[in-house]
Amino acid sequence: GAVVSQHPSWVICKSGTSVKIECRSLDFQATTMFWYRQFPKQSLMLMATSNEGSKATYEQGVEKDKFLINHASLTLSTLTVTSAHPEDSSFYICSAPDGGTGNQPQHFGDGTRLSIL
Amino acid sequence: DAKTTQPTSMDCAEGRAANLPCNHSTISGNEYVYWYRQIHSQGPQYIIHGLKNNETNEMASLIITEDRKSSTLILPHATLRDTAVYYCIVRASTDSWGKLQFGAGTQVVVTP
Repeated sequence: GAVVSQHPSWVICKSGTSVKIECRSLDFQATTMFWYRQFPKQSLMLMATSNEGSKATYEQGVEKDKFLINHASLTLSTLTVTSAHPEDSSFYICSAPDGGTGNQPQHFGDGTRLSIL
Repeated sequence: DAKTTQPTSMDCAEGRAANLPCNHSTISGNEYVYWYRQIHSQGPQYIIHGLKNNETNEMASLIITEDRKSSTLILPHATLRDTAVYYCIVRASTDSWGKLQFGAGTQVVVTP
């Protein structure tokens, strides 16, 4: 079945560092990918829609200059958390729909746990 | 997209069927019902989806009421590995290529 791979799975870094997270669709092409954030004991919150070859669309309240998204190919989207601070520590998850029709399910990566010291 | 209402938590006995309800009374005619689950510290996993007919796959069955205002996910023989948060989401097929809005879900605990 369709697989979405996320890397890294875990990252710990100092405050002020920028962190890049990759999301790859391994056996299908994804013109659209989605980025979510999840804080402990909370549900997933959609951050942005990543569009291949064009600008990402951000949800209300998500800072586009803080969370840079690049979707340079049909199989790769990256999320860069710029100048990360402890409050950015969270579980970041990407997803991609597989298939050409709008009712196809999403496939999710296994998430990246980001800890900012 | 229509909102959904699910119980906060459910306990199920291992080996028994688990019936997870979801209310979506404001669902529109073109909105599908999707079920995902999230095992602790992992990304969500797709389970099943449907529009108005009941659906079954290797993981579960989805029963949608005739008026489509509610549905039930059935795990036929729950195992300990089915312990997870289960999310019921409704979304139109024409909506933004898969954009999903997650609610709080139902924490299912399967006990021996």
